[in-house]
Amino acid sequence: QVKLQESGPGLVKPSQTLSLSCSVSGVSVSTDGYYWIWIRQHPGEGLEWIAYSSYTGVGNQNPSLRSRVTISVDTAKNEFSLKLTSVTAADTAVYYCARIPTYYDSSGSYFGYFDYWGQGTLVTVSS
Amino acid sequence: DIVMTQSPDSLAVSLGERATINCKSSQSVLNSSKNKNYLAWYQQKPGQPPKLLIYWASTRESGVPDRFSGSGSGTDFSLTISNLQAEDVAVYYCQQYKSSLTYTFGQGTKLEIK
Repeated sequence: QVKLQESGPGLVKPSQTLSLSCSVSGVSVSTDGYYWIWIRQHPGEGLEWIAYSSYTGVGNQNPSLRSRVTISVDTAKNEFSLKLTSVTAADTAVYYCARIPTYYDSSGSYFGYFDYWGQGTLVTVSS
Repeated sequence: DIVMTQSPDSLAVSLGERATINCKSSQSVLNSSKNKNYLAWYQQKPGQPPKLLIYWASTRESGVPDRFSGSGSGTDFSLTISNLQAEDVAVYYCQQYKSSLTYTFGQGTKLEIK
């Protein structure tokens, strides 16, 4: 059974770096055919994707956050991580990790939806 | 970016009745060569993460009750919940994944019991 679990500080001071990890069980993060993604949800609002990566480091970041975001995959620990620098109150949100399956056909690979999600962790940016 | 717009923002439906939520994309999410619509539906209950219900616009995720169904193509899609149950109270989101460079979600539709 695939499970994802976020962990990290629930409170971060403004201008500091938000660091979160997502522990994955039931599947190896180095399995071909999957990407790993971070998504956030501001209190009472909708969903915003942050960044995704494969275990080989191929990925992308939301253009609105690109300059502040780093995502990495640790195959030894079977987890992936998020770093968001220079945080402000606008970064206060519930942060989710999730999995993206990819598909292959004669024209190459293409991305799917988000099939497994972690429970989410609330990160508050405040002094 | 592909903008996803859901309607209505909220709706109240009686138990046992049908609920329909609409989602419109600003650009087509149909890949004609693959004949696939890159559109998913998620259900989010209070305090829980979103749960995948439907992908490829109409494929039900394993374990999802068959009273949930998705339809549509191109830019116009619907999620229909038949025989509404109390446990279906949630916020529902559509999402396009045709552009993996900019995944986008609808603003959400809150479903309540009348």
